[in-house]
Amino acid sequence: KNQVEQSPQSLIILEGKNCTLQCNYTVSPFSNLRWYKQDTGRGPVSLTIMTFSENTKSNGRYTATLDADTKQSSLHITASQLSDSASYICVVDNYGQNFVFGPGTRLSVLP
Amino acid sequence: DVKVTQSSRYLVKRTGEKVFLECVQDMDHENMFWYRQDPGLGLRLIYFSYDVKMKEKGDIPEGYSVSREKKERFSLILESASTNQTSMYLCASRDGAVGYTFGSGTRLTVV
Repeated sequence: KNQVEQSPQSLIILEGKNCTLQCNYTVSPFSNLRWYKQDTGRGPVSLTIMTFSENTKSNGRYTATLDADTKQSSLHITASQLSDSASYICVVDNYGQNFVFGPGTRLSVLP
Repeated sequence: DVKVTQSSRYLVKRTGEKVFLECVQDMDHENMFWYRQDPGLGLRLIYFSYDVKMKEKGDIPEGYSVSREKKERFSLILESASTNQTSMYLCASRDGAVGYTFGSGTRLTVV
């Protein structure tokens, strides 16, 4: 069964600290993996997209990694800001047949 | 800048009412989707459409219907609203390369 799992379910950190969010998937075939950021009361917005051959991709303070062998991805946030408080959703694309969504990780950054 | 626009941010309806949620995209995408998002459950697909006048059931279509009369517009219809349909509703359109572009969401409360 195609599935995407994320951990932790929620996370609280202090402003300025780093954090890492995890995504494990059992989706096949695999086309690409995307991370979305969703602010409270808003729709998700794309952060990164990674294909099978990419190991690391950065978008400002966000760095995503992908290990296609172990079917794991992580999203690392550096020097967190209050505006990073949001839900982060991992989404796996199996060649357009369907996009499989993870449940999300709720991140709260406190001053 | 590409856009998916949902007509209402917040909506309060009574049980038994017929409810229309409207979604318009300006990217000429063929694929459009309606999701609902509930705490702890992530995004769940209600209906999707690959072309005008075409619709396909998603994972949780019961109690909903859709209409796609024009390429840019995809409407979600709650035939007789019930309290268990209180949720956040997200519309999205999709391009294979770009992935999903989401609307800002409609927070529907059924009382």
